[in-house]
Amino acid sequence: QQKVQQSPESLSVPEGGMASFNCTSSDRNFQYFWWYRQHSGEGPKALMSIFSDGDKKEGRFTAHLNKASLHVSLHIRDSQPSDSALYFCAASEHNYAQGLTFGLGTRVSVFP
Amino acid sequence: EAAVTQSPRNKVTVTGGNVTLSCRQTNSHNYMYWYRQDTGHGLRLIHYSYGAGNLQIGDVPDGYKATRTTQEDFFLLLELASPSQTSLYFCASSGLNTEVFFGKGTRLTVV
Repeated sequence: QQKVQQSPESLSVPEGGMASFNCTSSDRNFQYFWWYRQHSGEGPKALMSIFSDGDKKEGRFTAHLNKASLHVSLHIRDSQPSDSALYFCAASEHNYAQGLTFGLGTRVSVFP
Repeated sequence: EAAVTQSPRNKVTVTGGNVTLSCRQTNSHNYMYWYRQDTGHGLRLIHYSYGAGNLQIGDVPDGYKATRTTQEDFFLLLELASPSQTSLYFCASSGLNTEVFFGKGTRLTVV
């Protein structure tokens, strides 16, 4: 069973709109979360980490973590065509990046 | 920005063949990783290393060996390649409390 589950598998959002997607861990040892983004033909690139309950905002990206339910979400406001990519949630038992466990990803398409 | 360089970028080999994937990082990072990416499985950790001469087993190590010769260089070895090892392989590096930086990947096809 996948320890880090993401939903939805894919979504389409209009340019300028809000994209929102989710991640849940089934392993209570996983308390620390990262979001990565992968454009076609590239390696994944870290967007942000979130370790504490509540919201964390970086530019147009906002992550929300609920540690009790091990649920984390990512919201992209004012979506741009360059945001079209595969978004991975990754989790760890520790607040450092060694041994990350990745979800299967959410594919985001931003249309004009 | 942190740099992780993988070679080759594409490789085709036959079943039973010998393959070495190379990775070099110039970030002065202690930690290096090999992941494979497959549709339906996401990114899975094969092996990782804390430093030169060190090797740690990841989540899907079967059929793979790895060697860290220097702080900069990490190699993934497939000694008897099988079609199930056809995949997109990523090398990555990180410091203790930094994000993980990925290379551009090596697409390996085993025919």
